[in-house]
Amino acid sequence: AQSVAQPEDQVNVAEGNPLTVKCTYSVSGNPYLFWYVQYPNRGLQFLLKYITGDNLVKGSYGFEAEFNKSQTSFHLKKPSALVSDSALYFCAVRDRYGGSQGNLIFGKGTKLSVKP
Amino acid sequence: DAGITQSPRYKITETGRQVTLMCHQTWSHSYMFWYRQDLGHGLRLIYYSAAADITDKGEVPDGYVVSRSKTENFPLTLESATRSQTSVYFCASSLAESYNEQFFGPGTRLTVL
Repeated sequence: AQSVAQPEDQVNVAEGNPLTVKCTYSVSGNPYLFWYVQYPNRGLQFLLKYITGDNLVKGSYGFEAEFNKSQTSFHLKKPSALVSDSALYFCAVRDRYGGSQGNLIFGKGTKLSVKP
Repeated sequence: DAGITQSPRYKITETGRQVTLMCHQTWSHSYMFWYRQDLGHGLRLIYYSAAADITDKGEVPDGYVVSRSKTENFPLTLESATRSQTSVYFCASSLAESYNEQFFGPGTRLTVL
């Protein structure tokens, strides 16, 4: 069965410092991996995805994520955090051979708090 | 350029009443989805639809009904609302291929008293 784990409920960083939000996954085959961000009282917004190719994926707002197949991880990173990055972040996974769009599985989310 | 919209944004109802949440997208995406978001559970899929007149159950379908007579609309009905259905509901849409991301609406906050 597919699953996604975001081991930290909350991550606190100071503005200007690098940030990492962790995600590990379990799928039976090769994955498609996604990161979404949710600001208060808003829907989820797509940040970036890994389909194939380069393990380092760049996305919106200066975020990037590194796909590590051996560690089954897809951690979200940003070199210099902004206060405006404070939000709830969701990792999601789908087995590329596992059927339809309906098989996208979300993690429980990590709250990122960036302090000035 | 409306994208994906949901209505109402907020709804308070009573136990046992029927409630319909609306979702409309302007992209002609073939797939549409309904999720609920609850603390400690993240997002859970209720129902999804691959095309007009094609729907399928997700992880938590009990107590919900969907229909999709037109590609752009995907209403979600709670036939007899229960307190456990108090939640924030998100509609989403996407292109068909499984590597495509989903686009989310702004959500409907539903309270069942």
